[in-house]
Amino acid sequence: DTAVSQTPKYLVTQMGNDKSIKCEQNLGHDTMYWYKQDSKKFLKIMFSYNNKELIINETVPNRFSPKSPDKAHLNLHINSLELGDSAVYFCASSLGLAGVGDTQYFGPGTRLTVL
Amino acid sequence: DQQVKQNSPSLSVQEGRISILNCDYTNSMFDYFLWYKKYPAEGPTFLISISSIKDKNEDGRFTVFLNKSAKHLSLHIVPSQPGDSAVYFCAARGGANNLFFGTGTRLTVIP
Repeated sequence: DTAVSQTPKYLVTQMGNDKSIKCEQNLGHDTMYWYKQDSKKFLKIMFSYNNKELIINETVPNRFSPKSPDKAHLNLHINSLELGDSAVYFCASSLGLAGVGDTQYFGPGTRLTVL
Repeated sequence: DQQVKQNSPSLSVQEGRISILNCDYTNSMFDYFLWYKKYPAEGPTFLISISSIKDKNEDGRFTVFLNKSAKHLSLHIVPSQPGDSAVYFCAARGGANNLFFGTGTRLTVIP
């Protein structure tokens, strides 16, 4: 009974392709996030949505477009994939935004490899 | 521009002894600090946290200490167990629940 799930777990694709990663949480949380962990193990936030509204949009290329069809889902679409996009992408969710108890819960990650 | 740093990439400790993992940060506006534990092929799992208005928080074998003047926090695990072997990430919270992570410290507890 996974709290935050991501599909696929592994994704291998050619440069220039368009791909999507899906994320779903069954915790009833209002806020969802996408993080990228690069080859240096640096885990950095990319986007944050609260009740389907974009809250955080860090300096990420326009090729990355998050989509939140409802509170329980936050999908990540990547256009024209580049070699530098190879990383592990983690989805996370939290109940709210600023409370002390708004711990973020992470999915298992999606390892993207661009050839 | 890394605002949260974990300068020790790895740490080995004997079972039963204390593990001390360290973390430094640069932004004095961070209001909340967290430790996450990560096993291979899994996402980070929340372990323990501390508000910036406190200097210590304890939960079982885990204690987090915060030294705001030094912009330093540490995680103490005592006694260490083999199951504690994992990568530990320090994180600090900025606005809108934006977490800034360190690069992690791989803890190995030797039986």
